[in-house]
This record gives sequence, C-alpha cells and structure tokens, in this order.
Amino acid sequence: KAGVTQTPRYLIKTRGQQVTLSCSPISGHRSVSWYQQTPGQGLQFLFEYFSETQRNKGNFPGRFSGRQFSNSRSEMNVSTLELGDSALYLCASSLVLAGGTDTQYFGPGTRLTVL
Amino acid sequence: QKEVEQNSGPLSVPEGAIASLNCTYSDRGSQSFFWYRQYSGKSPELIMSIYSNGDKEDGRFTAQLNKASQYVSLLIRDSQPSDSATYLCAVIRGSGGSNYKLTFGKGTLLTVNP
Repeated sequence: KAGVTQTPRYLIKTRGQQVTLSCSPISGHRSVSWYQQTPGQGLQFLFEYFSETQRNKGNFPGRFSGRQFSNSRSEMNVSTLELGDSALYLCASSLVLAGGTDTQYFGPGTRLTVL
Repeated sequence: QKEVEQNSGPLSVPEGAIASLNCTYSDRGSQSFFWYRQYSGKSPELIMSIYSNGDKEDGRFTAQLNKASQYVSLLIRDSQPSDSATYLCAVIRGSGGSNYKLTFGKGTLLTVNP
C-alpha cells in the first residue's frame, strides 16, 4: 500500500506571498492532520480533517487554513507568508478507529523557505 | 507545565548498551501513547504504540506506560549506530472524535557510539 504523499517537497517563497501544500493520505485513511516542525518549537499541530470537516485546530493564526476533499486528499494554505513560517510541514493520515486506538502515519513533508 | 515533556538530550550510549528514553505528560485523560523516530531531514516514523499500563515489547524496543505517574518510556536494547536519531513521544487526548489531537514532545536526540 502506498504511503502518505506530499507535494511539493521543497518550496521557496517570499514574504507576503501565499502557498498551497497538498497531501494524499494512505488509501482508506479518512483523517488527515497537518503539523509544522521548526527547530525551536518542535512538532506543532495545525489542524485535523475528517470527512471534509475540520475537527481540531491548533493555536495558529488564521493565515493558516486547510481543506479536505471527498477523496480524503487535503490541502493547506498559508497566506501573507512571514519569515517565521519557514518550516517543515508534515501531513499525517490515520484510519480513525473506535476508542482512539489509532496511529498516524507521516508523509515526507514539504520544506518551505520564506525569503 | 508543558503537555508532553522529554529530556532534549543528547543522550549518548555505546553500541550494544540499553538506551532509555523518558516522557511525561500532563493530561490525565490521555489515552494513547506513541514513540516516533526521526532521522535528520526525514519525517517521523512510528516505532511503538501503547495504550495500557505495563510493558509492550517489539523486537529490541520496549515501551512502558504508567498512567498513575503520567509517564511513558522507551527502552532500546542492543543499541546500534543506526538507532541514532531523535525520538519523539506523542500523546492523544481523549478517545477520538473532537478530542483527537496528537501532541508531541520536543524529542530526545540519541547518539549511539560505535
């Protein structure tokens, strides 16, 4: 079974621009979560989508948004980019099992550099 | 208090030794616990999951969970240089649905010296 895929793998943008990142989950997985990873803050939760609905959201400004499509693929968008948005953006998918005994599998990530 | 805390390390052990990685969490309602390994420049890779108090063994890895003490650990036996990586502890609050959120510690850097 193919793993989680993310595109693009690398991206360079300038301040003020916007960016859209894409994530395709493992086949059959219905939940997609997004994380930002920086050396100083570690892995931080952005949001989680399930059945095209945002179920959970982390403590990030409204410039960070996302959506999920009917085939479970997800996109996240960052508008008005700031230097501090430079990070590795990771997508993870999971089956969503009853009782919370679930496991998230990560994609390779998109390395975003804001100049 | 941080939700998930780990010693940042680096933790250095000789090849063949046992590496012990520790993690504490603040939310008593946490239900699911995971250890991920992350090599430099790569994405996290799941090593172990544990949901009940006690030990869970998988090859050279043993996860230990003590919910009363809000403590989870990972033991790596017969450590190999290829085990050198950052180990991330992650916790899920709640049992799914609206509380489904994976919270990570900042990770412990492990170095295994040949």
